[in-house]
Amino acid sequence: EAQVTQNPRYLITVTGKKLTVTCSQNMNHEYMSWYRQDPGLGLRQIYYSMNVEVTDKGDVPEGYKVSRKEKRNFPLILESPSPNQTSLYFCASSFGDHPNEKLFFGSGTQLSVL
Amino acid sequence: KQEVTQIPAALSVPEGENLVLNCSFTDSAIYNLQWFRQDPGKGLTSLLLIQSSQREQTSGRLNASLDKSSGRSTLYIAASQPGDSATYLCAVRNTNAGKSTFGDGTTLTVKP
Repeated sequence: EAQVTQNPRYLITVTGKKLTVTCSQNMNHEYMSWYRQDPGLGLRQIYYSMNVEVTDKGDVPEGYKVSRKEKRNFPLILESPSPNQTSLYFCASSFGDHPNEKLFFGSGTQLSVL
Repeated sequence: KQEVTQIPAALSVPEGENLVLNCSFTDSAIYNLQWFRQDPGKGLTSLLLIQSSQREQTSGRLNASLDKSSGRSTLYIAASQPGDSATYLCAVRNTNAGKSTFGDGTTLTVKP
Protein backbone atom coordinates (compact mmCIF):
# COMPACT_ATOMS: atom_id res chain seq x y z
CA GLU A 1 0.00 0.00 0.00
CA ALA A 2 1.31 3.43 -0.98
CA GLN A 3 1.77 5.49 2.14
CA VAL A 4 3.69 8.05 4.14
CA THR A 5 4.58 6.71 7.57
CA GLN A 6 5.39 8.93 10.52
CA ASN A 7 6.57 7.83 13.92
CA PRO A 8 5.77 8.26 16.69
CA ARG A 9 2.09 9.14 16.56
CA TYR A 10 2.24 10.84 19.95
CA LEU A 11 5.25 12.20 21.81
CA ILE A 12 5.58 13.96 25.13
CA THR A 13 9.00 15.31 26.03
CA VAL A 14 10.68 17.96 28.15
CA THR A 15 12.39 21.16 27.15
CA GLY A 16 15.87 20.67 25.76
CA LYS A 17 15.76 16.92 25.18
CA LYS A 18 16.69 16.19 21.59
CA LEU A 19 14.16 14.24 19.58
CA THR A 20 13.65 12.92 16.08
CA VAL A 21 10.38 12.35 14.27
CA THR A 22 10.77 9.89 11.44
CA CYS A 23 9.07 10.00 8.05
CA SER A 24 9.24 7.35 5.38
CA GLN A 25 7.46 6.99 2.05
CA ASN A 26 7.26 3.92 -0.20
CA MET A 27 6.25 5.66 -3.43
CA ASN A 28 9.71 6.63 -4.69
CA HIS A 29 8.78 10.30 -4.36
CA GLU A 30 11.45 12.92 -4.93
CA TYR A 31 9.73 15.65 -2.96
CA MET A 32 9.21 15.49 0.81
CA SER A 33 8.17 18.15 3.26
CA TRP A 34 7.39 18.83 6.92
CA TYR A 35 4.50 20.94 8.16
CA ARG A 36 3.24 21.96 11.54
CA GLN A 37 -0.41 22.66 12.24
CA ASP A 38 -1.51 25.00 15.02
CA PRO A 39 -4.99 26.28 15.89
CA GLY A 40 -5.59 29.63 14.25
CA LEU A 41 -2.36 29.45 12.26
CA GLY A 42 -3.16 26.64 9.86
CA LEU A 43 -0.53 24.47 8.20
CA ARG A 44 2.90 26.01 7.90
CA GLN A 45 5.84 24.53 6.06
CA ILE A 46 8.99 23.88 8.09
CA TYR A 47 11.43 22.35 5.58
CA TYR A 48 11.21 20.60 2.27
CA SER A 49 13.46 18.48 0.10
CA MET A 50 13.40 18.16 -3.67
CA ASN A 51 15.70 15.13 -3.70
CA VAL A 52 18.47 13.32 -1.82
CA GLU A 53 20.88 15.76 -0.19
CA VAL A 54 18.74 18.74 -1.33
CA THR A 55 16.83 20.55 1.41
CA ASP A 56 15.45 24.05 1.80
CA LYS A 57 13.74 26.16 4.41
CA GLY A 58 10.02 26.68 4.49
CA ASP A 59 8.20 29.39 6.38
CA VAL A 60 9.06 28.38 9.95
CA PRO A 61 12.43 26.56 9.99
CA GLU A 62 13.81 27.99 13.25
CA GLY A 63 14.52 25.33 15.85
CA TYR A 64 14.34 22.42 13.39
CA LYS A 65 16.79 20.41 11.34
CA VAL A 66 16.24 17.90 8.56
CA SER A 67 18.33 15.56 6.49
CA ARG A 68 17.72 13.60 3.31
CA LYS A 69 20.34 10.90 3.04
CA GLU A 70 18.00 8.41 1.38
CA LYS A 71 15.16 9.03 -0.99
CA ARG A 72 12.53 7.35 1.18
CA ASN A 73 13.37 8.97 4.53
CA PHE A 74 13.12 12.56 5.73
CA PRO A 75 13.52 12.83 9.51
CA LEU A 76 12.68 15.98 11.45
CA ILE A 77 15.10 16.77 14.26
CA LEU A 78 14.48 19.06 17.20
CA GLU A 79 17.88 19.60 18.80
CA SER A 80 16.58 21.48 21.83
CA PRO A 81 12.77 21.44 21.88
CA SER A 82 10.89 24.28 23.50
CA PRO A 83 7.22 24.56 24.56
CA ASN A 84 6.42 26.72 21.52
CA GLN A 85 7.18 23.69 19.35
CA THR A 86 4.21 21.87 20.82
CA SER A 87 2.16 21.17 17.72
CA LEU A 88 0.74 18.62 15.31
CA TYR A 89 3.38 17.73 12.73
CA PHE A 90 2.80 16.29 9.28
CA CYS A 91 5.15 14.83 6.74
CA ALA A 92 4.15 14.92 3.08
CA SER A 93 5.57 13.65 -0.19
CA SER A 94 4.96 13.71 -3.92
CA PHE A 95 6.75 13.08 -7.19
CA GLY A 96 9.06 15.85 -8.31
CA ASP A 97 8.28 18.44 -10.86
CA HIS A 98 4.98 17.73 -12.58
CA PRO A 99 1.76 19.68 -12.07
CA ASN A 100 -0.35 16.54 -11.83
CA GLU A 101 1.40 15.24 -8.74
CA LYS A 102 -0.68 14.93 -5.63
CA LEU A 103 0.72 15.63 -2.21
CA PHE A 104 0.37 12.65 0.14
CA PHE A 105 0.34 13.13 3.90
CA GLY A 106 1.29 11.01 6.86
CA SER A 107 -1.09 10.53 9.80
CA GLY A 108 0.63 13.15 11.93
CA THR A 109 2.70 13.34 15.10
CA GLN A 110 1.24 15.13 18.08
CA LEU A 111 4.18 16.60 20.00
CA SER A 112 3.95 18.09 23.47
CA VAL A 113 7.01 19.82 24.94
CA LEU A 114 6.73 20.43 28.69
CA LYS B 1 4.45 35.75 -0.98
CA GLN B 2 1.48 33.53 -1.77
CA GLU B 3 -1.48 33.93 0.53
CA VAL B 4 -4.43 31.57 0.54
CA THR B 5 -7.80 32.41 2.07
CA GLN B 6 -10.78 30.17 2.61
CA ILE B 7 -14.25 31.49 3.21
CA PRO B 8 -16.32 30.72 5.17
CA ALA B 9 -14.31 29.45 8.14
CA ALA B 10 -17.25 27.29 9.20
CA LEU B 11 -20.41 26.11 7.52
CA SER B 12 -23.38 24.15 8.81
CA VAL B 13 -25.96 22.72 6.42
CA PRO B 14 -28.79 20.18 6.54
CA GLU B 15 -28.25 16.82 4.92
CA GLY B 16 -28.95 16.74 1.19
CA GLU B 17 -28.01 20.33 0.50
CA ASN B 18 -25.59 21.27 -2.25
CA LEU B 19 -22.81 23.56 -1.09
CA VAL B 20 -19.78 25.51 -2.28
CA LEU B 21 -16.52 26.10 -0.47
CA ASN B 22 -14.28 28.93 -1.59
CA CYS B 23 -10.53 29.31 -1.85
CA SER B 24 -8.74 32.44 -3.05
CA PHE B 25 -5.05 33.03 -3.65
CA THR B 26 -2.99 36.14 -4.30
CA ASP B 27 -0.34 34.92 -6.77
CA SER B 28 -1.84 33.46 -9.95
CA ALA B 29 1.47 31.87 -11.08
CA ILE B 30 0.52 28.53 -9.59
CA TYR B 31 1.56 25.02 -10.47
CA ASN B 32 -1.53 23.29 -9.18
CA LEU B 33 -4.22 23.52 -6.54
CA GLN B 34 -5.26 20.63 -4.37
CA TRP B 35 -8.27 20.18 -2.12
CA PHE B 36 -7.93 18.08 1.02
CA ARG B 37 -10.20 16.74 3.69
CA GLN B 38 -9.09 16.53 7.32
CA ASP B 39 -10.97 14.75 10.07
CA PRO B 40 -10.28 15.85 13.67
CA GLY B 41 -6.81 14.79 14.83
CA LYS B 42 -6.14 12.98 11.59
CA GLY B 43 -4.02 13.48 8.52
CA LEU B 44 -5.01 15.11 5.25
CA THR B 45 -6.70 13.11 2.54
CA SER B 46 -6.43 14.35 -1.02
CA LEU B 47 -9.78 14.94 -2.72
CA LEU B 48 -9.01 16.64 -6.02
CA LEU B 49 -6.05 18.20 -7.76
CA ILE B 50 -6.37 20.77 -10.54
CA GLN B 51 -3.37 21.53 -12.69
CA SER B 52 -2.76 25.16 -13.60
CA SER B 53 -3.79 24.41 -17.19
CA GLN B 54 -7.14 22.89 -16.16
CA ARG B 55 -10.45 24.49 -15.32
CA GLU B 56 -12.10 21.77 -13.24
CA GLN B 57 -11.90 18.26 -11.87
CA THR B 58 -14.66 15.94 -10.74
CA SER B 59 -14.78 12.95 -8.44
CA GLY B 60 -18.14 11.50 -7.50
CA ARG B 61 -20.17 14.18 -5.72
CA LEU B 62 -17.24 16.58 -5.70
CA ASN B 63 -16.37 19.14 -8.33
CA ALA B 64 -13.49 21.57 -8.07
CA SER B 65 -13.01 24.54 -10.36
CA LEU B 66 -10.06 26.84 -10.92
CA ASP B 67 -9.96 30.40 -12.25
CA LYS B 68 -6.34 31.48 -12.20
CA SER B 69 -6.99 34.95 -13.56
CA SER B 70 -9.22 35.83 -10.62
CA GLY B 71 -7.23 33.78 -8.10
CA ARG B 72 -10.13 31.57 -7.10
CA SER B 73 -11.09 27.95 -6.72
CA THR B 74 -14.35 26.44 -5.55
CA LEU B 75 -15.18 23.00 -4.21
CA TYR B 76 -18.75 21.99 -4.93
CA ILE B 77 -20.26 19.18 -2.87
CA ALA B 78 -23.52 17.76 -4.15
CA ALA B 79 -26.17 16.15 -1.98
CA SER B 80 -24.19 16.55 1.24
CA GLN B 81 -24.18 13.74 3.82
CA PRO B 82 -23.29 13.68 7.55
CA GLY B 83 -20.15 11.74 6.61
CA ASP B 84 -18.95 14.80 4.69
CA SER B 85 -18.49 16.62 8.01
CA ALA B 86 -14.80 17.55 8.21
CA THR B 87 -12.43 20.41 7.61
CA TYR B 88 -11.65 21.11 3.95
CA LEU B 89 -8.36 22.73 3.03
CA CYS B 90 -7.05 24.02 -0.23
CA ALA B 91 -3.35 24.09 -1.00
CA VAL B 92 -1.66 26.06 -3.74
CA ARG B 93 1.67 24.89 -5.11
CA ASN B 94 3.73 27.67 -6.63
CA THR B 95 5.42 27.51 -10.00
CA ASN B 96 8.86 27.57 -8.41
CA ALA B 97 8.00 24.16 -6.97
CA GLY B 98 8.80 22.81 -3.55
CA LYS B 99 6.41 25.02 -1.66
CA SER B 100 2.71 24.57 -1.03
CA THR B 101 0.70 27.21 0.79
CA PHE B 102 -2.41 26.15 2.66
CA GLY B 103 -5.56 28.00 3.52
CA ASP B 104 -6.88 27.82 7.08
CA GLY B 105 -9.72 25.56 6.01
CA THR B 106 -13.50 25.50 6.13
CA THR B 107 -15.05 23.33 8.82
CA LEU B 108 -18.19 21.74 7.43
CA THR B 109 -20.95 20.23 9.54
CA VAL B 110 -23.73 18.36 7.79
CA LYS B 111 -26.71 17.79 10.07
CA PRO B 112 -28.88 14.69 9.67
